[in-house]
Amino acid sequence: AQTVTQSQPEMSVQEAETVTLSCTYDTSESDYYLFWYKQPPSRQMILVIRQEAYKQQNATENRFSVNFQKAAKSFSLKISDSQLGDAAMYFCAYRSKETSGSRLTFGEGTQLTVNP
Amino acid sequence: ETGVTQTPRHLVMGMTNKKSLKCEQHLGHNAMYWYKQSAKKPLELMFVYNFKEQTENNSVPSRFSPECPNSSHLFLHLHTLQPEDSALYLCASSQEQRGGGDTQYFGPGTRLTVL
Repeated sequence: AQTVTQSQPEMSVQEAETVTLSCTYDTSESDYYLFWYKQPPSRQMILVIRQEAYKQQNATENRFSVNFQKAAKSFSLKISDSQLGDAAMYFCAYRSKETSGSRLTFGEGTQLTVNP
Repeated sequence: ETGVTQTPRHLVMGMTNKKSLKCEQHLGHNAMYWYKQSAKKPLELMFVYNFKEQTENNSVPSRFSPECPNSSHLFLHLHTLQPEDSALYLCASSQEQRGGGDTQYFGPGTRLTVL
């Protein structure tokens, strides 16, 4: 079974600074997706960024980028120019690409605080 | 707005009540999911409906009963719940192909409190 680990329960960053959230995972599969989801106080789970395991290029979405290290099974999220609206719980998640209807396996989450 | 709606947003019920949670997706997806999010726990998958067929039941107690009448609607029927069932219940949907799946999009959740 796959597992996802987020070793930082809480992180804080100053507005306009950069912060990196860590995620490691364990799998025996070769083809899969990795995601970062954001859950603000409204509790809506919002997709931040998606990475396909077979793509060597790191995914980027505006101020959000990932450092995907497949051999090390590491998938960190970098938030540049942090904004107050980035404050939320961030979840790393794994999904098999090989099975239709497969589950998302989530990490425990990292609570990000942005200080003005 | 992700294209997945859930009603009600908040629900308080007694242990002997029967209630239902509703989820609707407007994305044309063919798979839908129920997740449970309890305090200080990772999200737990409860049920998966893939092409309207239940393909996974993650050892969920029978007091939770899912129903998927079509690919756009998903219900979770609740009966004789326990206080420990209080949680945020999240619905998600995705577009699946026979060989594999992709991104799941979530609704806003129903905050359930069992008294």
